[in-house]
Amino acid sequence: DAGVIQSPRHEVTEMGQEVTLRCKPISGHNSLFWYRQTMMRGLELLIYFNNNVPIDDSGMPEDRFSAKMPNASFSTLKIQPSEPRDSAVYFCASSLEGGAGANVLTFGAGSRLTVL
Amino acid sequence: DAKTTQPTSMDCAEGRAANLPCNHSTISGNEYVYWYRQIHSQGPQYIIHGLKNNETNEMASLIITEDRKSSTLILPHATLRDTAVYYCIVRPHMDTGRRALTFGSGTRLQVQP
Repeated sequence: DAGVIQSPRHEVTEMGQEVTLRCKPISGHNSLFWYRQTMMRGLELLIYFNNNVPIDDSGMPEDRFSAKMPNASFSTLKIQPSEPRDSAVYFCASSLEGGAGANVLTFGAGSRLTVL
Repeated sequence: DAKTTQPTSMDCAEGRAANLPCNHSTISGNEYVYWYRQIHSQGPQYIIHGLKNNETNEMASLIITEDRKSSTLILPHATLRDTAVYYCIVRPHMDTGRRALTFGSGTRLQVQP
């Protein structure tokens, strides 16, 4: 398996532009997570899906952020409009909930976002 | 989830064992201890987890005290590639509350040549 695949790896955009980050989880995993990491706040959970359904989106900062999981093999995190304070590394992770690996997350390499 | 306490940073000489402590004095009976690490610029990586027995895999060993209030992650022969932030997390194995894993500040391990 190629692991969790995220794109783009790096994105530089200007304030006000729309940003879309993409994630392909590990085949067979039924849970998907979006985390954000900054120096100031560390690693924060944004949203968590199980069987393509959002379970916990309490970490989504505000209405500018939205996440979708249209099928088991794809998820997007969208920021519209983007602001400089959204600059961070965004990680996607997946796991198999309901089994022994419920808390064993596999993370992608991350998408580094810079908003100018 | 039970709160965990880890030292902010530690140093270890290359080739020596790295022993990373974690205090989780409020751990409850159904909570496991999980360890992850994050190498610079990479996503966190799962290392090992355990309930009450000591565990070992190809990456590390996990020693949990008999009262389960603390644990130690052991990297038996640390290499420069083990320089990373190590996170100790306590969670129920099956979380009926449907909450995702949360990460604290961890321990920054610097392996010295």
